[in-house]
Amino acid sequence: QIQLVQSGPELKKPGESVKISCKASGYTFTDYAMNWVKQAPGNGLKWMGWINTQTGKPTYADDFKQRFVFSLETSASTAYLQINNLNIEDTATYFCTRSGSGYWGQGVMVTVSS
Amino acid sequence: DVVMTQTPVSLSLAIGQPASISCKSSQSLLGTSGKTFLNWILQRPGQSPKRLIYQVSKLYSEVPDRFSGSGSETEFTLKISRVEAEDLGVYYCWQGTHFPYTFGAGTKLELK
Repeated sequence: QIQLVQSGPELKKPGESVKISCKASGYTFTDYAMNWVKQAPGNGLKWMGWINTQTGKPTYADDFKQRFVFSLETSASTAYLQINNLNIEDTATYFCTRSGSGYWGQGVMVTVSS
Repeated sequence: DVVMTQTPVSLSLAIGQPASISCKSSQSLLGTSGKTFLNWILQRPGQSPKRLIYQVSKLYSEVPDRFSGSGSETEFTLKISRVEAEDLGVYYCWQGTHFPYTFGAGTKLELK
């Protein structure tokens, strides 16, 4: 069956970086783009952008153009989200979600605290 | 950006009652392909979102047929014919027609 399995929770200090993963299984990884979605505590969902899994080209929503990097390891059917120079407002759960057919990962809680 | 406005903010219903959630977009979600990329998802407490409906009214295979979606252009509705205990959580509409994709603020369904 199709699954998106994300890495575990992260606790970071302001200014540090974090890289979280989303491993896909049950389908051909390069057949579907991967999206990233942010959910701050107690808040709704915000689309961060997507990455073309065939070309590796990322597209970022305006609020996520500066410190956020989408990348791939196609041989491992894995997408990555890296956040640089973390600040308190980055504390959130980050989901990967496959374009087409609506599959979501279980989410990664990233906590940024001094 | 397309603003998605959901009403009501919350619903308190007894099991067996019908439910209706409205979602309005600030611009038409009819794409150049002729398709309308309006989706509904459910986030149960402590869980990741789960898919329900795509392209306004198409149910994913695992979704019970007590769920239905309707609408066009800028006005959309999710209905549950008879609420069950497993339906509690937050329902979000979201659009995939225009970049950036955007979500409604959510409608919390609670059981009375």
